[in-house]
Amino acid sequence: KQEVTQIPAALSVPEGENLVLNCSFTDSAIYNLQWFRQDPGKGLTSLLLIQSSQREQTSGRLNASLDKSSGRSTLYIAASQPGDSATYLCAVRPETSYDKVIFGPGTSLSVIP
Amino acid sequence: DAGVIQSPRHEVTEMGQEVTLRCKPISGHDYLFWYRQTMMRGLELLIYFNNNVPIDDSGMPEDRFSAKMPNASFSTLKIQPSEPRDSAVYFCASSTWGDKEYFGPGTRLTVT
Repeated sequence: KQEVTQIPAALSVPEGENLVLNCSFTDSAIYNLQWFRQDPGKGLTSLLLIQSSQREQTSGRLNASLDKSSGRSTLYIAASQPGDSATYLCAVRPETSYDKVIFGPGTSLSVIP
Repeated sequence: DAGVIQSPRHEVTEMGQEVTLRCKPISGHDYLFWYRQTMMRGLELLIYFNNNVPIDDSGMPEDRFSAKMPNASFSTLKIQPSEPRDSAVYFCASSTWGDKEYFGPGTRLTVT
């Protein structure tokens, strides 16, 4: 059974720092992996989607990497800003049930001005 | 496109009452997902549809929960009778196969 974990559960950093969020999954047989952002009281917004054949995806100050064989993904945020404060969730799409994704518990990020 | 639309945004009801949550997916998306989010259990997939047909309802917690998708632009999630432990935020999401999922703003349900 695929399980997704995220470390740390919460992170607080001063504005301007570069930071890394981690995601691990137990079964490497995935079709793709997504990183989502959730603001308090809001829905989830997909930030980046990495196909299993890809190593990384970039969007602005965000860079997501995927090491499928080791079951790991990282989300790198450069020059963090207070507006980056949110919960970040990763989600994998298993090859065996590729219609649906399995979410991790999320990392709550606070960027202090 | 207006994105995924959910109504109501907030619902407060008494135990035993019927609750109906509504969702309008993004036009052209052939997958629709219902999720529930709580502090204790995180984000759980309840049921999903493909081309209006329910594919997997293994996440539906009990027979008190039911979902329908009568056409490509509308879906409902019904709880009857509701219980306090059903209190959560319910999200609807839509997508095309293998692509990003687009979430609605959610319905915050409180059952007293």
